[in-house]
Amino acid sequence: DAKTTQPNSMESNEEEPVHLPCNHSTISGTDYIHWYRQLPSQGPEYVIHGLTSNVNNRMASLAIAEDRKSSTLILHRATLRDAAVYYCPPARAPPSFGNEKLTFGTGTRLTIIP
Amino acid sequence: ETGVTQTPRHLVMGMTNKKSLKCEQHLGHNAMYWYKQSAKKPLELMFVYNFKEQTENNSVPSRFSPECPNSSHLFLHLHTLQPEDSALYLCASSQDWGSGRETQYFGPGTRLLVL
Repeated sequence: DAKTTQPNSMESNEEEPVHLPCNHSTISGTDYIHWYRQLPSQGPEYVIHGLTSNVNNRMASLAIAEDRKSSTLILHRATLRDAAVYYCPPARAPPSFGNEKLTFGTGTRLTIIP
Repeated sequence: ETGVTQTPRHLVMGMTNKKSLKCEQHLGHNAMYWYKQSAKKPLELMFVYNFKEQTENNSVPSRFSPECPNSSHLFLHLHTLQPEDSALYLCASSQDWGSGRETQYFGPGTRLLVL
């Protein structure tokens, strides 16, 4: 079954770079790697996605390992507004994964220290 | 604003009530999803609709009944819920389902309390 694993929590100082890791060792060759984040009392929001090459956008950078079994979300300069739960959910495809409930994963709770 | 709206934002209901949650997306997407987020549990996928057809039912109890009349609207009908069903219910949409490429856009959620 496709799964991703992330650390439960991380801390970073404000204005410092943050590197959030994700292990997706069972990813298939055509599945994109997505990252989302969920701010308190809000629904998850899209951050970035990629397939093989590193990606940059206004929110973050995504570094993808050459074997695609892991990726790292990079926040170049963390602010207090970046405090959130960050998810790298497994890609899903029909049929559903047998008896295992499909989830978004537990994510990494990022705390920013002023 | 993500282009996905949900109403109501908060709902309190008794165990014998019938209520419905509504989701609307203005993104021209073909797939829509219901998720449940309980306290201290992972965000759990409930249902997936692709081109108005239900493609995934993630072993959800029958007291939750989804409806997708068109690609822009998704409902979750609630009937005889239990207190443990209290949670944040999130709707999402994406261009398609099952390609491995889908980027999901989430609504703000409905906070449900069952008494």
